[in-house]
Amino acid sequence: GAVVSQHPSRVICKSGTSVKIECRSLDFQATTMFWYRQFPKQSLMLMATSNEGSKATYEQGVEKDKFLINHASLTLSTLTVTSAHPEDSSFYICSARVEGVTNQPQHFGDGTRLSIL
Amino acid sequence: QKEVEQNSGPLSVPEGAIASLNCTYSDRGSQSFFWYRQYSGKSPELIMFIYSNGDKEDGRFTAQLNKASQYVSLLIRDSQPSDSATYLCAVREYNFNKFYFGSGTKLNVKP
Repeated sequence: GAVVSQHPSRVICKSGTSVKIECRSLDFQATTMFWYRQFPKQSLMLMATSNEGSKATYEQGVEKDKFLINHASLTLSTLTVTSAHPEDSSFYICSARVEGVTNQPQHFGDGTRLSIL
Repeated sequence: QKEVEQNSGPLSVPEGAIASLNCTYSDRGSQSFFWYRQYSGKSPELIMFIYSNGDKEDGRFTAQLNKASQYVSLLIRDSQPSDSATYLCAVREYNFNKFYFGSGTKLNVKP
């Protein structure tokens, strides 16, 4: 089945640091990938849609200058949390789906737990 | 924002019983419906999906879809303690790749 790899799985860093998270589709190409954030005991919240070769589409309330998304190839999207602060501590998850086939599910990466001290 | 509603629970069932999880959605144009299971601290994993009205069975799991009522459910037969997790309902928009998730229902299966 389709596999999405996310790296790193855990980041602990100081306030003000920028953190980059990678999301790769391992055995399929994805022109679109999705980034979610999940706070403890809450559901997944879609942050943005990453589009290969063009600008990402951000959901309402998500700061695009804070959360930089780059989708430079058909198998890689990156999310950079710039100048991270403690309130950015969360579980970040990416997803992608096999395109061109009807009713394909989203496949999720294993997530990145970000802790800002 | 499209709405996907789930009862947050927790839903407690004894081992061996049937667990019934429900989900309603607001967008009549929604195409496909997915159930994911999420263990604490882990990312969601797909259980099954359904896109036609009626029932779809996969092992101990049965998904039920009623598009007229904008309702989708998941039945888990012979519930096991290992089924204890949060179950997320997801709905895919018509003609778009976006998935919208419900807030999840926490299921506790008691031995």
